[in-house]
Amino acid sequence: AQSVTQLDSQVPVFEEAPVELRCNYSSSVSVYLFWYVQYPNQGLQLLLKYLSGSTLVKGINGFEAEFNKSQTSFHLRKPSVHISDTAEYFCAVSASLGGAQKLVFGQGTRLTINP
Amino acid sequence: DAGITQSPRHKVTETGTPVTLRCHQTENHRYMYWYRQDPGHGLRLIHYSYGVKDTDKGEVSDGYSVSRSKTEDFLLTLESATSSQTSVYFCAISEGDSRPETQYFGPGTRLLVL
Repeated sequence: AQSVTQLDSQVPVFEEAPVELRCNYSSSVSVYLFWYVQYPNQGLQLLLKYLSGSTLVKGINGFEAEFNKSQTSFHLRKPSVHISDTAEYFCAVSASLGGAQKLVFGQGTRLTINP
Repeated sequence: DAGITQSPRHKVTETGTPVTLRCHQTENHRYMYWYRQDPGHGLRLIHYSYGVKDTDKGEVSDGYSVSRSKTEDFLLTLESATSSQTSVYFCAISEGDSRPETQYFGPGTRLLVL
């Protein structure tokens, strides 16, 4: 079964510093990966996704992620964070579910930006 | 934003009472999902639907049932609520015409079972 591990439950950084949120997934023949962001008291919003092609994926709000098949990783990065990036971030992998596809989520990483 | 609403947004109930949560979409998407979110677990799939009257179980379906009588509505019922079902519940939708698909999430329902 597909699984996802987010290696850090909390990541504190200073404003304008770079950040990397780590995600590792269990290996599969075909893998489709997603990063979602959840702002306080809100639902999940798609940041970016990897389906195929270029291993560097760019998303919204200046975030990007790199798919690394050999290391089974899909780490999320941003070169300079802002206070408004404070949120919880979830990595997810798509897994077959009969005729549908479900998302298998990691445990989440809470990103806190300090001024 | 995807047109997904959830009701109620907050609910407090007592152990043993039935509870129904509603998810409503205006996108005419085929697939609908119910997840629960708990600290340290991320989101876990409870049930999903692949069409009107077509539903199936997810990984944490015990104690939950669902119904979908119209494309736009997907109901989640806790037959007899327990404290372990205190959680935040999210509905999600996807189009159903491509693989893989992006799922779009509703705002969530916060449920407290006393």
